[in-house]
Amino acid sequence: RKEVEQDPGPFNVPEGATVAFNCTYSNSASQSFFWYRQDCRKEPKLLMSVYSSGNEDGRFTAQLNRASQYISLLIRDSKLSDSATYLCVVNRYTGNQFYFGTGTSLTVIP
Amino acid sequence: NAGVTQTPKFQVLKTGQSMTLQCAQDMNHEYMSWYRQDPGMGLRLIHYSVGAGITDQGEVPNGYNVSRSTTEDFPLRLLSAAPSQTSVYFCASTMGAGSTDTQYFGPGTRLTVL
Repeated sequence: RKEVEQDPGPFNVPEGATVAFNCTYSNSASQSFFWYRQDCRKEPKLLMSVYSSGNEDGRFTAQLNRASQYISLLIRDSKLSDSATYLCVVNRYTGNQFYFGTGTSLTVIP
Repeated sequence: NAGVTQTPKFQVLKTGQSMTLQCAQDMNHEYMSWYRQDPGMGLRLIHYSVGAGITDQGEVPNGYNVSRSTTEDFPLRLLSAAPSQTSVYFCASTMGAGSTDTQYFGPGTRLTVL
């Protein structure tokens, strides 16, 4: 079983829409959780960390459910510039390894 | 402050050739890692290092060697290139080995093995 699983999409949404991505992780020892954004043929960049209590950064909201072992990302009022692939990442402190999901592709349509 | 740099950006090799992908960071980060990214597979960890002189294997280490003689540099060596190693390679660095730290990625090396 993969460490991190994501729905690959693609998600095609109109500008202004709200879209949500989910991600599940298999190892209950996972300690830290992140969403990274990757533009076509570019390197991944941190979008936001995910905290147990949930956190928000502008139009982006991340949630963590440890009991069900899933992480979510909500994007409100989608912009054309949000078009990218969103990567779910988890880390188990022991072993110093980050595990990446395969990514969810989002295209925001005018 | 250049962040994480990688060279070359593109490379074509023939089967059996060897080469070194270079990675350097100027942020004094302790933790560095190499990933490969293939379609439908996501980023997979090849090797990582928690500090100068210390390296360890990740998920897909076969066919690759690394060394970490300085904090700044973390080269990845392909010993005898195979078509299965055609991929995009990313180097990343993190302040420490702590799991909460942000990873900073280099721009990637696109490698084709014929």
